[in-house]
Amino acid sequence: NAGVMQNPRHLVRRRGQEARLRCSPMKGHSHVYWYRQLPEEGLKFMVYLQKENIIDESGMPKERFSAEFPKEGPSILRIQQVVRGDSAAYFCASSPDTSLPVHEQYFGPGTRLTVT
Amino acid sequence: LAKTTQPISMDSYEGQEVNITCSHNNIATNDYITWYQQFPSQGPRFIIQGYKTKVTNEVASLFIPADRKSSTLSLPRVSLSDTAVYYCLVGDRGAAGNKLTFGGGTRVLVKP
Repeated sequence: NAGVMQNPRHLVRRRGQEARLRCSPMKGHSHVYWYRQLPEEGLKFMVYLQKENIIDESGMPKERFSAEFPKEGPSILRIQQVVRGDSAAYFCASSPDTSLPVHEQYFGPGTRLTVT
Repeated sequence: LAKTTQPISMDSYEGQEVNITCSHNNIATNDYITWYQQFPSQGPRFIIQGYKTKVTNEVASLFIPADRKSSTLSLPRVSLSDTAVYYCLVGDRGAAGNKLTFGGGTRVLVKP
């Protein structure tokens, strides 16, 4: 069972370009989360999605950022008109519908975005 | 969400036991305590979760006193590969959809 997959692993964009980050959750997982991590800091929650629905986007900047999790295909985090401050590692995590006694999220390897 | 406080960094040597204490004074009744481990250039990895007393798995032990205002992650006999950042998280485990709130974590450096 493959883990959470993210691509690309590294992405370089110039200011003003668009960045598209992809996340394929673990098989059988219907919940996807996106987090952002700045250097030397902890991860910050951005958005939580289920198939075709955004459930919680309280951590998402109001402008330029959007996320989707279509019925078919990976979840996409899209950043329009990138600025240098968007440079960070973006992690995707997934979790199953769970009634298990322990709830955990499974993280992908991240996409490191560099804006030049 | 309960705020957590943990040491910024800790050094240890191979074969020693490492104990990381996390303070969470305003933990709520429904909150669980969860620890994640993150290696450089990787996503965090779940280590252990508990509510009270002691929890042990193949990787670590988690000690939670009766008042639950703190918790201690114990890593037995660490090796060089245990060098990582360890995050203490507190929140309502609930169903799926629990967004995780990461603090700054504790950087553990294991020396030979």
